[in-house]
Amino acid sequence: DIQMTQSPASLSASLEEIVTITCQASQDIGNYLSWYQQKPGKSPQLLIHSATSLADGVPSRFSGSRSGTQYSLKINRLQVEDTGIYYCLQHYSAPYTFGAGTKLELK
Amino acid sequence: EVQLVESGGGLVQPGRSMKLSCAASGFTFSNYGMAWVRQAPTKGLEWVATISYDGSSTYYRDSVKGRFTISRDNAKSTLYLQMNSLRSEDTATYYCTSNNYGFAYWGQGTLVTVSS
Repeated sequence: DIQMTQSPASLSASLEEIVTITCQASQDIGNYLSWYQQKPGKSPQLLIHSATSLADGVPSRFSGSRSGTQYSLKINRLQVEDTGIYYCLQHYSAPYTFGAGTKLELK
Repeated sequence: EVQLVESGGGLVQPGRSMKLSCAASGFTFSNYGMAWVRQAPTKGLEWVATISYDGSSTYYRDSVKGRFTISRDNAKSTLYLQMNSLRSEDTATYYCTSNNYGFAYWGQGTLVTVSS
């Protein structure tokens, strides 16, 4: 099975700060990597698909990048509404695997 | 507007069965692979099963293989998850999601509680 190691587990940042979350895949997954935001009591929301493509309706302050088997989600100019838990997902091969999540809070 | 509406969750005893449904609207259901993702209380997301757009291919996580069956009825734009021999560790909110370039569309989830 492909393991997705997500870091950090939690993060506290200030408004307007730049935030980066990373996921390390245990093997090559190409661009079959997506990022999700989940708020308490709500369903997850797709932010980034295909490692770097912004999903429809997602603010442009969110971006995704890839370096080999390391994937990053960057949030430019953090806003209040960006708090929540962020997950990466590899859907290169079954079983698809999510990262453990990053809880993002405002400082 | 895209909508995925799950139903069928509730309280069930260990060893019993339950069938979840997910009614889709607002997009061409028959063009999309679909999946079930679950989330145990206070835990992270866990992929459960995926089915291809035409139902010809299915994939499961090991812990549900042989107990759960994912299926679909494209004429009714509905996704199903038949869950047999339920265990306490299957307790979770189950989400229906479209499996295309990641999981773009999500339902609101339905809670399944396995307990005696």
